[in-house]
Amino acid sequence: DAKTTQPNSMESNEEEPVHLPCNHSTISGTDYIHWYRQLPSQGPEYVIHGLTSNVNNRMASLAIAEDRKSSTLILHRATLRDAAVYYCILRDLYNNNDMRFGAGTRLTVKP
Amino acid sequence: DTGVSQDPRHKITKRGQNVTFRCDPISEHNRLYWYRQTLGQGPEFLTYFQNEAQLEKSRLLSDRFSAERPKGSFSTLEIQRTEQGDSAMYLCASSERDGGTDTQYFGPGTRLTVL
Repeated sequence: DAKTTQPNSMESNEEEPVHLPCNHSTISGTDYIHWYRQLPSQGPEYVIHGLTSNVNNRMASLAIAEDRKSSTLILHRATLRDAAVYYCILRDLYNNNDMRFGAGTRLTVKP
Repeated sequence: DTGVSQDPRHKITKRGQNVTFRCDPISEHNRLYWYRQTLGQGPEFLTYFQNEAQLEKSRLLSDRFSAERPKGSFSTLEIQRTEQGDSAMYLCASSERDGGTDTQYFGPGTRLTVL
């Protein structure tokens, strides 16, 4: 299975942009890049996903490298509520019965 | 609230006892997943159902674990003869369809402590 590598932790100041990196050098052509986050004492929640093109939604933006071997989740203005563990996950289009979470990146947002 | 619900939220038990957890998925979601999460780690896949059929089980799911989804709606996860190593958060998720683009919606989890 293709794996992802993320920094263990990152810090940000409130109302500043945050760029959360993810490396996935063994990604296959049918792997979608998904991001979930887990707020304290809650289950994970979906953030965004993409295949090749950059994606935007109300929560975040996903920038995907041209060779697809890395991606970056962008929170445009971090709030205290964005403090969470962020998981970058690869899911094959045709064989995706489970999600393989790594340890993720713990984001701390300072006021 | 029409999200995924889990019951109980917390369970403390003594080693050797049996425990059962319940998950109610979002209505009309035909896929239901169970995960386990230990402190400081990401969730680990245990098993999933499509409607009432259990289609895949992880090697993490020992013989002491059994999951059911009898009518394709709610699901139960039972752990027999609990061990201290079973202490973890047990998460349930549901999704509407399969495919690499489906979104899994997670419940709040059941935290199990085995004394």
